Amino acid sequence: EAGVVQSPRYKIIEKKQPVAFWCNPISGHNTLYWYLQNLGQGPELLIRYENEEAVDDSQLPKDRFSAERLKGVDSTLKIQPAELGDSAVYLCASSYGQGDEQYFGPGTRLTVT
Amino acid sequence: KQEVTQIPAALSVPEGENLVLNCSFTDSAIYNLQWFRQDPGKGLTSLLLIQSSQREQTSGRLNASLDKSSGRSTLYIAASQPGDSATYLCAVFTGGGNKLTFGTGTQLKVEL
Repeated sequence: EAGVVQSPRYKIIEKKQPVAFWCNPISGHNTLYWYLQNLGQGPELLIRYENEEAVDDSQLPKDRFSAERLKGVDSTLKIQPAELGDSAVYLCASSYGQGDEQYFGPGTRLTVT
Repeated sequence: KQEVTQIPAALSVPEGENLVLNCSFTDSAIYNLQWFRQDPGKGLTSLLLIQSSQREQTSGRLNASLDKSSGRSTLYIAASQPGDSATYLCAVFTGGGNKLTFGTGTQLKVEL
């Protein structure tokens, strides 16, 4: 069974540029999560989807961050414009349902210069 | 607000030693608790998930225990190996499984 797939693995951009991350969850997983992980810290939730509905986006900085999961499968997280402080690893995870075991992708390491 | 603490932050042991990693949380009304492993530059790998009604879970050389009333979980690694070197993260589900809160991790190094 394929795991959670994320792309790109690495991205370097200049500040004020836009960037997008893509995630394909494990087949059959209805719940999808985007996390942000800073160096030496645990992941912090940005947004959680149940199928195509964003049910928890309270930690998503909505002035510059947006996300979508149009058909309830793949998801895209976008930042526009990027700031220096956005440099971090962006992790995608999925589970069958809320509260179930979460499986993580390899992450996208973003560097904003 | 749930807070998760892991002690120690870093640990170095010789190969073959049995070791214990600690995780504590402030809100005992948890749904479940999950232990993860993270290798440098990689994503998280799920090791064990303990439901709130369970006391422990075992997988191979790993054993995780949960004491909800005291807000603690321990991850026991038997006969450690150099391949066990990684950062171990504890995460608790609260709010009926709506939110997963992570600790900052314990960085483990197992030396030959």
